[in-house]
Amino acid sequence: DTGVSQDPRHKITKRGQNVTFRCDPISEHNRLYWYRQTLGQGPEFLTYFQNEAQLEKSRLLSDRFSAERPKGSFSTLEIQRTEQGDSAMYLCASSLGRDENIQYFGAGTRLSVL
Amino acid sequence: SQKIEQNSEALNIQEGKTATLTCNYTNYSPAYLQWYRQDPGRGPVFLLLIRENEKEKRKERLKVTFDTTLKQSLFHITASQPADSATYLCAPRPYSGNTPLVFGKGTRLSVIA
Repeated sequence: DTGVSQDPRHKITKRGQNVTFRCDPISEHNRLYWYRQTLGQGPEFLTYFQNEAQLEKSRLLSDRFSAERPKGSFSTLEIQRTEQGDSAMYLCASSLGRDENIQYFGAGTRLSVL
Repeated sequence: SQKIEQNSEALNIQEGKTATLTCNYTNYSPAYLQWYRQDPGRGPVFLLLIRENEKEKRKERLKVTFDTTLKQSLFHITASQPADSATYLCAPRPYSGNTPLVFGKGTRLSVIA
């Protein structure tokens, strides 16, 4: 399978714990995006990388969130001191970086904070 | 601020009919507009892209129109099937290729056999 893969698919954690998610993009894609989606809403942008450089972060992204893409390939998204409001689906997408910027999404990681 | 509205949260239609979904945007001048399909528990999947200088785009049973005067895109599925049941998301895109996608809330389509 050469699509975008995300791990884990589901994560249940207690409030205050740290969690880390991984995304493996399509191999030739240089752009990688993280989105968050809650029930009944469209995906909301969190942050984006071009190769290993993090180029943009949403104002939605609090200091408890950090993302890395150390070698310009896979990426991790860490949430520290999770809160119940962090419960959501976290989606990763990658693209070739052309103007049309068609994005290919992974299946997401569903986070439940108890 | 930029705003995207998709006509309704849910749309129910009978199998075989044409489904029409609406995407309206304000405070935008998109160079093109993308439509995605999302199934429950899955990520969105790209369907079609239409540019500002294109009035209409077709792909199999799908048709998209783009009216920059009305600031509206219509997404049609002809001869709908129960397998078309999903949430459909629109994402108007500005000129800059670097900007992330901004999605509407989506319209949940149910095709009833």
